Amino acid sequence: KNEVEQSPQNLTAQEGEFITINCSYSVGISALHWLQQHPGGGIVSLFMLSSGKKKHGRLIATINIQEKHSSLHITASHPRDSAVYICAVEPSYNTDKLIFGTGTRLQVFP
Amino acid sequence: SAVISQKPSRDICQRGTSLTIQCQVDSQVTMMFWYRQQPGQSLTLIATANQGSEATYESGFVIDKFPISRPNLTFSTLTVSNMSPEDSSIYLCSVRTSAGYEQYFGPGTRLTVT
Repeated sequence: KNEVEQSPQNLTAQEGEFITINCSYSVGISALHWLQQHPGGGIVSLFMLSSGKKKHGRLIATINIQEKHSSLHITASHPRDSAVYICAVEPSYNTDKLIFGTGTRLQVFP
Repeated sequence: SAVISQKPSRDICQRGTSLTIQCQVDSQVTMMFWYRQQPGQSLTLIATANQGSEATYESGFVIDKFPISRPNLTFSTLTVSNMSPEDSSIYLCSVRTSAGYEQYFGPGTRLTVT
């Protein structure tokens, strides 16, 4: 079983829809990262969080440490949000490294 | 933040040859990593590039196949040696200023081995 699981694996949406991507992990962590990878391959860091909630524009990330779960929400989705969203955790036993989920491929249609 | 550039951005290589990928960061960083992303897969850590000493390799990766250099705090190279089609992947350089801080990724090098 992977230490970091994401759901769904694939997601399609109509422009304007509210989107939720989930991440569950099985190890103790010091922080969790949400990353965005566009078709060209470049990866952008969206959030790093260790508790509570963070918001940036239309993106919101939440984390529940007790339940070992995080969600990434996109409000008023747009075709330019189409990308792969990757959850990654810093395990408490080695905070130098990240353990990556397999990613959620999002396609937003106009 | 850190801005990372990689060269080349893509290459098509013949089986049995080697390719060296360069990673340049616009600021001094403590931690520098090399990842591989095989088609349709997530990222796998190859090694941590250590400045002034040998890289630390993850299980399944060896120095003879993936030699790494890191002569200073802003530059590193990864060589993919004696390539086979199974080495076709995106190779990404990544940095963190310190544990507990954001991780930044280079644009990647898309390698195809024929």
